[in-house]
Amino acid sequence: KQEVTQIPAALSVPEGENLVLNCSFTDSAIYNLQWFRQDPGKGLTSLLLIQSSQREQTSGRLNASLDKSSGRSTLYIAASQPGDSATYLCAVRPDRSQGAQKLVFGQGTRLTINP
Amino acid sequence: GAVVSQHPSRVICKSGTSVKIECRSLDFQATTMFWYRQFPKKSLMLMATSNEGSKATYEQGVEKDKFLINHASLTLSTLTVTSAHPEDSSFYICSAQGAGDPGELFFGEGSRLTVL
Repeated sequence: KQEVTQIPAALSVPEGENLVLNCSFTDSAIYNLQWFRQDPGKGLTSLLLIQSSQREQTSGRLNASLDKSSGRSTLYIAASQPGDSATYLCAVRPDRSQGAQKLVFGQGTRLTINP
Repeated sequence: GAVVSQHPSRVICKSGTSVKIECRSLDFQATTMFWYRQFPKKSLMLMATSNEGSKATYEQGVEKDKFLINHASLTLSTLTVTSAHPEDSSFYICSAQGAGDPGELFFGEGSRLTVL
């Protein structure tokens, strides 16, 4: 059974710092991995999606990497801003042989950027 | 990206009543929709997979008679919490799957249910 773990559970940093959020998964047979942002009381906003054949994806100040063999992904946020404060969720989608429709979520990292 | 709308965003009801939450894909057809439940400061827990025109598939431990799911059209799935109790209070989020195999998943804004 696929399990996704995110460390740390919470992170607080000063504005302007670069930071890394970590995600690990137990089964390397994945179709893709996705990073989401969730603001309090809101739904999910997709940030980056990495296919299993890719190593990384970039969008603006965000860069996500994927190392399928070691079961790890990182989300790098450059020059953090107070508006980046939110909970960041990592989710993996199993490959077709294991039911590619369902996402398995980590528990999230609650990020606070202090002005 | 594609838009998924949930309604209502917040609902408060008395214990013993039933509440219906709607999930609509606004600009695409979704043959499959998913319903999640999220407890405070916890991650999303998949409750069920809803396929248009067929019965929903529930995850282990989810009571299908309490959480009724109907996917009557390619753009609408509903979750009805029957005979709601305070322990059913939670944040419910739906997602809809776009075209492709497997298609990209798009999430709604969530619905906060409070049962008094």
